Amino acid sequence: DSGVTQTPKHLITATGQRVTLRCSPRSGDLSVYWYQQSLDQGLQFLIQYYNGEERAKGNILERFSAQQFPDLHSELNLSSLELGDSALYFCASSPKGRSEASPLHFGNGTRLTVT
Amino acid sequence: AQSVAQPEDQVNVAEGNPLTVKCTYSVSGNPYLFWYVQYPNRGLQFLLKYITGDNLVKGSYGFEAEFNKSQTSFHLKKPSALVSDSALYFCAVRDSGAGSYQLTFGKGTKLSVIP
Repeated sequence: DSGVTQTPKHLITATGQRVTLRCSPRSGDLSVYWYQQSLDQGLQFLIQYYNGEERAKGNILERFSAQQFPDLHSELNLSSLELGDSALYFCASSPKGRSEASPLHFGNGTRLTVT
Repeated sequence: AQSVAQPEDQVNVAEGNPLTVKCTYSVSGNPYLFWYVQYPNRGLQFLLKYITGDNLVKGSYGFEAEFNKSQTSFHLKKPSALVSDSALYFCAVRDSGAGSYQLTFGKGTKLSVIP
């Protein structure tokens, strides 16, 4: 168990809808990362937050947004959903401090299916 | 920019034989390199990392990896494969000179260990 909790595990919704994915990082971790995993694109970095502030942006669509709250949990909001957004969405966290040598610890992901 | 290549989509090996999963990387600064394993319907689990020092690093479950700076490679190895090692393996890199803490992942290599 990595200590990173993601909810829900599965989400099925229709095109055009909006969903929110939630992540609780490991105790004490200040950084949260969101990744999307799909069969054709592999693991794509979406966005990183550190102690409530956005630190880095990757291939995140404008329809997607995220935030990190004062208790350090994070939410990823996906809107105007398209079929191509169907994927596994992972949250990861890294230890407090900003060490580049620290590995990321991943949650078990949320499987999003857009129908 | 940082990038990772895993040239093999799939590797098949007989149980008890040594296994190698290949990874090459590209960074502008010094690389921080990681290997992760993913079992079906699970998140990525950290196996090992190379930051500096000895080119041969040892990790979880008997895995090791060899860093080769001249060949920009970081191949994952295990002396004797187990059926339970069958999974998806990801190599990842972080560029120490980039000022970013995100990991860039390869496409993944599916390892099948045949009884």
